[in-house]
Amino acid sequence: AQSVTQLGSHVSVSEGALVLLRCNYSSSVPPYLFWYVQYPNQGLQLLLKYTSAATLVKGINGFEAEFKKSETSFHLTKPSAHMSDAAEYFCAVSADQAGTALIFGKGTTLSVSS
Amino acid sequence: EADIYQTPRYLVIGTGKKITLECSQTMGHDKMYWYQQDPGMELHLIHYSYGVNSTEKGDLSSESTVSRIRTEHFPLTLESARPSHTSQYLCASSAAGRGEQYFGPGTRLTVT
Repeated sequence: AQSVTQLGSHVSVSEGALVLLRCNYSSSVPPYLFWYVQYPNQGLQLLLKYTSAATLVKGINGFEAEFKKSETSFHLTKPSAHMSDAAEYFCAVSADQAGTALIFGKGTTLSVSS
Repeated sequence: EADIYQTPRYLVIGTGKKITLECSQTMGHDKMYWYQQDPGMELHLIHYSYGVNSTEKGDLSSESTVSRIRTEHFPLTLESARPSHTSQYLCASSAAGRGEQYFGPGTRLTVT
């Protein structure tokens, strides 16, 4: 069975600082992994996805994530935080690309201070 | 940009009322999903559909029902709303053979 653990329900950074949001997964098959962002009163927006093509995945808004099989991790990073990055971030895993429903982590709230 | 719509965005309704949450997508996606999201919690899948006339229950038990008569439309119905149904409901869709899902803006439901 697949599962996702996001370490840290709340992360605070200063504007311009590195953003690191942690995600560890458990999967019985090679996983497909996703990061989504949710702004207040909105749905989820896809940031990036890993589907085994490359271990370092670049997404929108300057975010990227690295798939590390040995650590079962898929951490999200951004070199320099912006105030507009403040939001809720969700990591998700899918067993395959055929459309099996996504399993989500509990989310990490990112706060950015000036 | 994904084109998936949900109405209403916000709904406050009394106990016992019947409600239908609407979800439509214009991308021609075969697969559609309903998730329930409570504050500080992960999303839980309550229903999904892999095509017209196909509906399945998800991992989280729900008293709601869904229908899929047209590819683009996937409404969710609560026959008798209760305070325990208070939550945010998110609709999503995905194309065949693609794992990523695209989400609507959500419906925040409050049952008094």
